[in-house]
Amino acid sequence: IVLTQSPDSLAVSLGETATMTCRSSQNVLYSYNNNNYLAWYQQRPGQPPRLLFYWASTREAGVPDRFSGSGSGTHFTLTISNLQPEDVAVYYCHQFYDTPHTFGRGTKLEIK
Amino acid sequence: QVQLQQSGPGLVKPSETLSLTCSVSGAPISSSRYYWGWIRQSPGQGLEYIGSLFYNGDIYYNPSLRGRATISIDASKNEFTLNLKSVTAADTAIYFCARAGRLGDYVEGWWDPWGQGTRVTVSS
Repeated sequence: IVLTQSPDSLAVSLGETATMTCRSSQNVLYSYNNNNYLAWYQQRPGQPPRLLFYWASTREAGVPDRFSGSGSGTHFTLTISNLQPEDVAVYYCHQFYDTPHTFGRGTKLEIK
Repeated sequence: QVQLQQSGPGLVKPSETLSLTCSVSGAPISSSRYYWGWIRQSPGQGLEYIGSLFYNGDIYYNPSLRGRATISIDASKNEFTLNLKSVTAADTAIYFCARAGRLGDYVEGWWDPWGQGTRVTVSS
């Protein structure tokens, strides 16, 4: 399964909203349990990826509610509102619907 | 709180074997609830899933590694190891170990937490 993220990079002003998308080449919604087998991660420079969302929209503990995940099937969105300096990072989507697991190439978020 | 601590060399010669270990603290590696795996990151390939194993010995490898990867577990030390043989410059990357929840038979979930990463360079 190929995950295509857009845009490649994004510059947003502090306090504004950043929106990025992840498109899957195949459906990752498992109809048996109605869960989307997709996760989002944040990776700051020099650090490992940090889980933000699983099941496409379930926020991991400790993730600010400024972050939201949405979408279903093949089209997913990560939205960050009220952008803060610590949000500068690369954001990746990841599908665990099928093996091998695959990741998108990432969206680099910067402050304008 | 589960923590994964990686160890291993940062420089490997071409054609040799890359060997990395991931030591787990805060949770038993022989848990029926989790898979343990390796993921690497390079500028050219991005994040690439290498493979993972379950405590009972079930293992899955990414076919892209063409049979060069071996993942093993040492429950007595609560650690697991990646061996990647016949390395080339294309294997230069940051290697991460990580844990995934078991969602079902042969079904791994999202990766969390991750080890700190080991930057491996393949060069003579």
